[in-house]
Amino acid sequence: EVQLVESGGGLVQPGGSLRLSCVTSGFTFSGRLMQWVRQAPGKGLVWVSRINNDGSSKDYADSVKGRFTISRDNAENTLYLQMNSLRAEDTAIYYCVRTRWGAGGPAFDYWGQGTLVSVSS
Amino acid sequence: EVVLTQSPDTLSLSPGERATLSCRASQSVASNFLAWYQQKHGQAPRLLIYGASFRAAGIPDRFSGSGSGTDFTLTISRLEPEDLAVYYCQQYATPPPWTFGQGTKVDMK
Repeated sequence: EVQLVESGGGLVQPGGSLRLSCVTSGFTFSGRLMQWVRQAPGKGLVWVSRINNDGSSKDYADSVKGRFTISRDNAENTLYLQMNSLRAEDTAIYYCVRTRWGAGGPAFDYWGQGTLVSVSS
Repeated sequence: EVVLTQSPDTLSLSPGERATLSCRASQSVASNFLAWYQQKHGQAPRLLIYGASFRAAGIPDRFSGSGSGTDFTLTISRLEPEDLAVYYCQQYATPPPWTFGQGTKVDMK
């Protein structure tokens, strides 16, 4: 059974930092492109970042570029998101997402339960 | 950036009725790399449809996707009470950012 379990969220002051983790199981983590997607309270889904299977290629939404860093540890089957210089508008549930492969393209096929990040003074 | 516009914003139907949700892209979605997700209240999204028309594993056959280019449709042939949710379309064709529509809320009359 595929499982994605996020942790590391919490309340942080503007300008502060947090590191999110996503421990995975039930599939070959090192073979999959992984993503972070966020959802502000009562709002829609927004893609944040992606990393390829060996960590050599990374992409970011403009809104987080230069402040967030995605990484992975394939030996530990874990995905990370280091978030620095946090702003109030970063307040959201952050989802760890696995990407499918094969015909039909890289849709987001498994989602964790999410971890809530609140940025407030 | 590809902008996805979903319509309607809210769809109120009775159980057993047919639901038709629309997603329009600001430019053609290459390879029809268009997905639909279902998000029930307080839960994470779930993949329903990928590649515009392929049902994901475990998804009931009352859910179907169609369309190509800039116009895509999610159809729920016979609404069940458990289908109450917000539905999002997403394109994953272009280089990042991959974008989502604003969502369509399906509720029961």
